[in-house]
Amino acid sequence: EVQLVQSGAEVRKPGESLKISCKASGYTFSNYWIAWVRQMPGKGLEWMGIIYPGDSDTRYSPSFQGQVTISADKSISTAYLQWSSLQASDTAIFYCARPLVSGSFDAFDMWGQGTMVTVSS
Amino acid sequence: EIVLTQSPGTLSLSPGERATLSCRASQSVRNSYLAWYQQKPGQAPRLLIYGASSRATGIPDRFSGSGSGTDFTLTISRLESEDFAVYYCQQYGSSPWTFGQGTKVEIK
Repeated sequence: EVQLVQSGAEVRKPGESLKISCKASGYTFSNYWIAWVRQMPGKGLEWMGIIYPGDSDTRYSPSFQGQVTISADKSISTAYLQWSSLQASDTAIFYCARPLVSGSFDAFDMWGQGTMVTVSS
Repeated sequence: EIVLTQSPGTLSLSPGERATLSCRASQSVRNSYLAWYQQKPGQAPRLLIYGASSRATGIPDRFSGSGSGTDFTLTISRLESEDFAVYYCQQYGSSPWTFGQGTKVEIK
């Protein structure tokens, strides 16, 4: 069974760093792009960026370039989203998602359960 | 960046009625790489339609997608109770991939 399992909810203070994870199983991790999507409280979906674990090719939305870092460790089939200095405005649910077709940019047919990140002093 | 505008913002309908949701792009979506997702409270989005008109695995045939270029439509032929949710369109033809702001389908 194909699954994306994300790390648990996090509470941090402004200025702190954070790295959340998305562990894949049931398919060849290296062969599929993995994206990160933000959903702020009560708001819509925002595409943040995407990584190809096979060669670590990474693309960012201009809105998130320089604000977050996306990485992957194909040895443990895990993708990451990290912040070096969180702000209150980073409070949101973050989803990882996998496209339909290997090696292609495609619609996302597999989603993680989401990780709630709360940033508050 | 392609901006997707969904309308209406909220659709109030009764079970059994037909729902028509619109997604308009600020520029042509390459190869009709347009998807529709359903999201219920507390859940991750679920893929309904990809390539503008192809149903994802396990999606009932009351869901259909159409359109090309800049105008796309999601139709739910007869609403069932489990269809009341928020629906998002997304284009994946041009980077950055973008989502519409969502249409909420609520029970009238």
